[in-house]
Amino acid sequence: SAVISQKPSRDICQRGTSLTIQCQVDSQVTMMFWYRQQPGQSLTLIATANQGSEATYESGFVIDKFPISRPNLTFSTLTVSNMSPEDSSIYLCSARRRGYEQYFGPGTRLTVT
Amino acid sequence: TQLLEQSPQFLSIQEGENLTVYCNSSSVFSSLQWYRQEPGEGPVLLVTVVTGGEVKKLKRLTFQFGDARKDSSLHITAAQPGDTGLYLCAGAEVWDSNYQLIWGAGTKLIIKP
Repeated sequence: SAVISQKPSRDICQRGTSLTIQCQVDSQVTMMFWYRQQPGQSLTLIATANQGSEATYESGFVIDKFPISRPNLTFSTLTVSNMSPEDSSIYLCSARRRGYEQYFGPGTRLTVT
Repeated sequence: TQLLEQSPQFLSIQEGENLTVYCNSSSVFSSLQWYRQEPGEGPVLLVTVVTGGEVKKLKRLTFQFGDARKDSSLHITAAQPGDTGLYLCAGAEVWDSNYQLIWGAGTKLIIKP
């Protein structure tokens, strides 16, 4: 398994501002992902964070709104830009080491007012 | 893109009862994972099933992968309040060197003492 930490764990932000979420994995992993989740619901993949290259975004998510960095094999950031109340959600970082199993961080609960 | 139908979406039962959660697809997965998520935490991997017909047991939880690798079930025997949480299934779709997890909608399980 992999131990994944995220910062911040929660935040309340004003409309129009940006928030950067950090994700740290305790060991090198092949793939890192960012998800969004409404409480009690399933996960929606935002993007795959590629080491050394641009992230791969899913339909409905764009780089200008959710810029992602992955400078090395253990760290990634997700920025939620120009926030609106619709961005209020739980943001989860995930990592895949090998095989098809993914491990998750504890999540960042974002509230936009 | 494959779809993974998970049912039921919500289940509230008394302690000691048995229950089964289902995940079904019309397509074949390379493997299927089951996760449990508690409020304020990220999903935690419970088990991965890979081979058609495979059965894995984790204490009172029994996981089965269908013979054709299109469906899976999670059976809990004598449910306890500690089993309360959101259960998610995820099928691994692999093609060429690409990979993605297809997520079920989740089952919110409440075990009443």
